[in-house]
Amino acid sequence: KQEVTQIPAALSVPEGENLVLNCSFTDSAIYNLQWFRQDPGKGLTSLLLIQSSQREQTSGRLNASLDKSSGRSTLYIAASQPGDSATYLCAVLMNRDDKIIFGKGTRLHILP
Amino acid sequence: DAGITQSPRYKITETGRQVTLMCHQTWSHSYMFWYRQDLGHGLRLIYYSAAADITDKGEVPDGYVVSRSKTENFPLTLESATRSQTSVYFCASSHRSDVEKLFFGSGTQLSVL
Repeated sequence: KQEVTQIPAALSVPEGENLVLNCSFTDSAIYNLQWFRQDPGKGLTSLLLIQSSQREQTSGRLNASLDKSSGRSTLYIAASQPGDSATYLCAVLMNRDDKIIFGKGTRLHILP
Repeated sequence: DAGITQSPRYKITETGRQVTLMCHQTWSHSYMFWYRQDLGHGLRLIYYSAAADITDKGEVPDGYVVSRSKTENFPLTLESATRSQTSVYFCASSHRSDVEKLFFGSGTQLSVL
């Protein structure tokens, strides 16, 4: 059974710092991996999607990498801003017609 | 405005009552999902649907019923609400092409008293 883990559960960093959020999964036979952002009281917003054949995806200050063999993905946030404060979740899809499995998220707080 | 919408936004009900949460999407996405989100458990899949008239159980389906008579609607019914079903419920949809992402509604906060 696939398990998705995100450590730490919470993280506080000063504004302007670069930071890395981690995601690990137990079964490397994934179809794709997504990173989501969730603001308090809101739904999830997809940030980046990495196909199993890809190594990384970039969008603005965000860069997500994928290492299937080691069962790990990282989300790199450059030059962090207070507006980046949110919970970040990763999720994996095992097969094209299967369900998506979520980690429990990392709650990020950027200190002004 | 196009997108995925859930209603109601907030709902309070009593134990034993039947309650239906609505989900509507305007993209004609084939896949739709219902998740519940609870502290300590994260997001857990209740039911999902690959197309109209096709539904499958997720991780925590007990006590819930879904239907998908039309592609754009995917209602979730709690047949006899229990306090353990107090949660935030999210509906999501996806076209499930190789590059398509998962889109979420804003959620329904349900309290069962």
